[in-house]
Amino acid sequence: EDQVTQSPEALRLQEGESSSLNCSYTVSGLRGLFWYRQDPGKGPEFLFTLYSAGEEKEKERLKATLTKKESFLHITAPKPEDSATYLCAVQARGTYKYIFGTGTRLKVLA
Amino acid sequence: NAGVTQTPKFQVLKTGQSMTLQCAQDMNHNSMYWYRQDPGMGLRLIYYSASEGTTDKGEVPNGYNVSRLNKREFSLRLESAAPSQTSVYFCASSVGDQQETQYFGPGTRLLVL
Repeated sequence: EDQVTQSPEALRLQEGESSSLNCSYTVSGLRGLFWYRQDPGKGPEFLFTLYSAGEEKEKERLKATLTKKESFLHITAPKPEDSATYLCAVQARGTYKYIFGTGTRLKVLA
Repeated sequence: NAGVTQTPKFQVLKTGQSMTLQCAQDMNHNSMYWYRQDPGMGLRLIYYSASEGTTDKGEVPNGYNVSRLNKREFSLRLESAAPSQTSVYFCASSVGDQQETQYFGPGTRLLVL
């Protein structure tokens, strides 16, 4: 069964304290892995798509990496405005469907 | 470009009432989706439409119906609302080809009493 597990559930960081969020997945043939940011009361906002092991994408303080079993979202020198819930989803080949994880709630303290 | 828009933003229903959630996208996308988001459960797919004129069930379709009105619009109908349908509903769309990134709307918060 296709499955996505995100850890930790919640993370508190001091401003400038770098860390990583984990997304472990099992899927019958990966078509793509997606990272989203969700602010309270808002819809998920697209961040990255990764398609194959070894691929990396960067945007400002965020860097996403992918292996055959997991993905990491590295946050370098975070700021309070990076506080949000980060969602991971996978899509299997031959399907339009996403399988979402339950997210990591990140709080960055000034 | 407004992207994906949803109406209403918030709705309160009594058990047994019906309502339709509206979704529209202006990105000329072929595929559209309806999800619900509940605490601790993550986003779950209710129905999707791979292209205009087609709809398919997702993970949790019971109690819902959908209509792909045209390429832009995809509506979700609750025929007889139940308290278990209290949730936040998100519509999303994607191009529909090899690049399957989905773009989400702002959500509709539904409370069924």
